[in-house]
Amino acid sequence: QVQLVQSEAEVKRPGASVKVSCRASGYSFTDDYIHWVRQAPGKGLEWVGRINHKSGGTNYAQKFQGRMILTSDTSINTAYMELRRLRSDDTATYYCARVTVGTTCFDPWGQGTPVTVSS
Amino acid sequence: QSALTQPASVSGSPGQSITISCTGTSSDIGAFNYVSWYQQHPGKAPKLMIYDVSNRPSGVSNRFSGSKSGTTASLTISGLQAEDEADYYCSSYTITSPWVFGGGTKLTVL
Repeated sequence: QVQLVQSEAEVKRPGASVKVSCRASGYSFTDDYIHWVRQAPGKGLEWVGRINHKSGGTNYAQKFQGRMILTSDTSINTAYMELRRLRSDDTATYYCARVTVGTTCFDPWGQGTPVTVSS
Repeated sequence: QSALTQPASVSGSPGQSITISCTGTSSDIGAFNYVSWYQQHPGKAPKLMIYDVSNRPSGVSNRFSGSKSGTTASLTISGLQAEDEADYYCSSYTITSPWVFGGGTKLTVL
């Protein structure tokens, strides 16, 4: 079945960078997009960005422009989200999710990767 | 502030029906039939329940239904069950963002 498995929890200092991975299985990785969504503790969902694995093209929510880099390694069906210059308000669980080409819904989701930014 | 507006909480008794609203603008819900709904239990990842306003993925109970009128989308859950207690989020493709979520609604089954 289609599955997304993310890397483990991270704890970082303010100003550092974090890189979260999302390994896909059960479908043709390059045919679809991987999106990233984050959720701060006790808060709602926030769309972060997406990557087209075939072209390498990316789109980011405006607030993350210049601080976030989405990449993928198609040889191992894995997408990556790197967030730089971390701040305490970046503390959140980061989810990856598949969006099939021609659709706009997120299905399935990875299990989530908690990222804590604290001095 | 979330781009889509949902009530913070709704509640209902087992067997009853509830409706959760999701209000947007002419740039998102009003512009496209690309509203989706997600269920999230505590400590778990969201799960797709409705896509393209009113379509159910395979495996989702037919007790869940969606609709849209103008710039407001709605999720209705009929025959409430204890397992339906969760947070629910709407999402829409938009002209600008290009994806936005609602702030979430906590459903309590009394």
